[in-house]
Amino acid sequence: QLQLQESGPGLVKPSETLSLTCTVSGGSISSYSWSWIRQPAGKGLEWIGRIYTSGGTNYNPSLKSRVTMSVDTAKKQISLKLNSVTAADTAVYYCAKVNGTYALEDYWGQGTLVTVSS
Amino acid sequence: EIVLTQSPGTLSLSPGERATLSCRASQSVSSNFLAWYQQKPGQAPRLLIYTASSRATGIPDRFSGSGSGTDFTLTISRLEPEDFALYYCQQYGTSPVTFGGGTKVEIK
Repeated sequence: QLQLQESGPGLVKPSETLSLTCTVSGGSISSYSWSWIRQPAGKGLEWIGRIYTSGGTNYNPSLKSRVTMSVDTAKKQISLKLNSVTAADTAVYYCAKVNGTYALEDYWGQGTLVTVSS
Repeated sequence: EIVLTQSPGTLSLSPGERATLSCRASQSVSSNFLAWYQQKPGQAPRLLIYTASSRATGIPDRFSGSGSGTDFTLTISRLEPEDFALYYCQQYGTSPVTFGGGTKVEIK
């Protein structure tokens, strides 16, 4: 059964770079596209972007200038980097598998909380 | 981007009652690529419905989705105790993917 596990520093200083990884087990990382979504405490969901099986990416325009996603197939990991963070980037960050037929997020990891604070 | 507005913000109902949740889009959702997710405290969202009316694998048939264009509805025919949660709609037909603000279904 597919499992997704997000990991990374729980605390990042303002202006620094947030770096997270999502480790995939129980399935093929190269068979799917992958998304990152975030959720500030007590608030709604914000789609950060997607990395496709081709390696191409599609980022939310609101974050595009600060976001980089990549896949390491050998390590079975998807990475997210968000630079120049502020307190507004404090959220639970989820990685999710993208359904190949319908292009939506059909399975999510449990998420990891990242706090931006000095 | 397409803005999704969910209503009501909170729905207070009793187990066994019917729940009707609304999601309205600021413009037509391409190919009715509209999904519904359920989220419980401390958990990740779970996909319930995709393409407006198709149930995801393992989702009970008391959950149904309907609608097209800009107006969509999630109906829970008879609320079970485990159905009290937050529900989000999502459109994935036009980039960027966007989510509604959520509807909380709480026990009355």
